Amino acid sequence: NAGVTQTPKFRILKIGQSMTLQCTQDMNHNYMYWYRQDPGMGLKLIYYSVGAGITDKGEVPNGYNVSRSTTEDFPLRLELAAPSQTSVYFCASSYGSLWDTQYFGPGTRLTVL
Amino acid sequence: DQQVKQNSPSLSVQEGRISILNCDYTNSMFDYFLWYKKYPAEGPTFLISISSIKDKNEDGRFTVFLNKSAKHLSLHIVPSQPGDSAVYFCAAKGGSEKLVFGKGTKLTVNP
Repeated sequence: NAGVTQTPKFRILKIGQSMTLQCTQDMNHNYMYWYRQDPGMGLKLIYYSVGAGITDKGEVPNGYNVSRSTTEDFPLRLELAAPSQTSVYFCASSYGSLWDTQYFGPGTRLTVL
Repeated sequence: DQQVKQNSPSLSVQEGRISILNCDYTNSMFDYFLWYKKYPAEGPTFLISISSIKDKNEDGRFTVFLNKSAKHLSLHIVPSQPGDSAVYFCAAKGGSEKLVFGKGTKLTVNP
């Protein structure tokens, strides 16, 4: 069991570029989440999904898009990168219910210059 | 508006002593509380949780205490070990609402 995997680990983007942060879990969890963590701050929820084909906005969704075509994958898309999106991004999943104990990936450190 | 507050950004303790990490919350609808531990360059990992129907939950060296009237919870680590050095996040949720995280407290356990 690899758990939750995220790629890439690091990325530097120029303002206006686009990219997709990949997230895959092999635990057959229904619920998946994307968070961002800014320096000295807690985790802020960007988007979440309760199952394939169903996604919903979290606290800070602006500038991001998600899709959930399979149970395993939950990619996060940045369309027009801005310096304010410089952060560490964590993907997580949970099994029993929404907001149940979450298992996190190792994170993607993104810098937008 | 911070609903979950960890007012100490950092804490330093000696190996073998007790570490006490504190967390305050403002939302009286919160009924489930969790602590996550995070090492550098890794994702947070679940440590221990407590439901609002309890005032204490213990798991080995880790104990979480909940004081509902004060809207306060604390994580006790006894005895502290150098491997416990990490950032600890307090998180809370109420009913079907989303999980809310505090800013974290960086614990350093000195040998």
